[in-house]
Amino acid sequence: AQSVSQHNHHVILSEAASLELGCNYSYGGTVNLFWYVQYPGQHLQLLLKYFSGDPLVKGIKGFEAEFIKSKFSFNLRKPSVQWSDTAEYFCAVKGVNAGNMLTFGGGTRLMVKP
Amino acid sequence: DTGVSQNPRHKITKRGQNVTFRCDPISEHNRLYWYRQTLGQGPEFLTYFQNEAQLEKSRLLSDRFSAERPKGSFSTLEIQRTEQGDSAMYLCASSLLAPGSDTQYFGPGTRLTVL
Repeated sequence: AQSVSQHNHHVILSEAASLELGCNYSYGGTVNLFWYVQYPGQHLQLLLKYFSGDPLVKGIKGFEAEFIKSKFSFNLRKPSVQWSDTAEYFCAVKGVNAGNMLTFGGGTRLMVKP
Repeated sequence: DTGVSQNPRHKITKRGQNVTFRCDPISEHNRLYWYRQTLGQGPEFLTYFQNEAQLEKSRLLSDRFSAERPKGSFSTLEIQRTEQGDSAMYLCASSLLAPGSDTQYFGPGTRLTVL
């Protein structure tokens, strides 16, 4: 079975600070990895995804994530956050040979202070 | 907006009643998924359709839950004899089966409150 762990449940940053949200997964085979974001009052939106190739993936709004296979990690980064990045962030994994369901982490709630 | 739509957005019901939710996927998407999300948690997979066939069901999906996708387009999720523990946000997602790419796009959800 696959599982996802997001270590930080709540993060508070000031504008212009750098962001890194941790995500570790557990699965023995090939994976597809995703970060979704949920802004207040809105639905889940895809930030970025990794299927194969370059392990450094760039997404929307200046976010990027790096897949480190040896560490089973897919951490999300942004060099300089804005107040509008206040949201909840979810990491998700799909084992390529484990069906088509996404397994989500518990989420990280980010608050950016203006 | 041609994204995933869900109706109703909110449903309040009394324990023991039946409820039904509808999901309309992105039009060309052949895969449709249901998830449940409770407060402070990430979404949990319930079931998945490819076209009209229900291919996967989670152990979370008790026999009070049933989902259909009769013509391979919209889907319904019915909960019979609701319990307070069913209170949650029910999310629908859709995707297009394509080589090397199968990204799920989510709808706004239906928030169920069981009194």
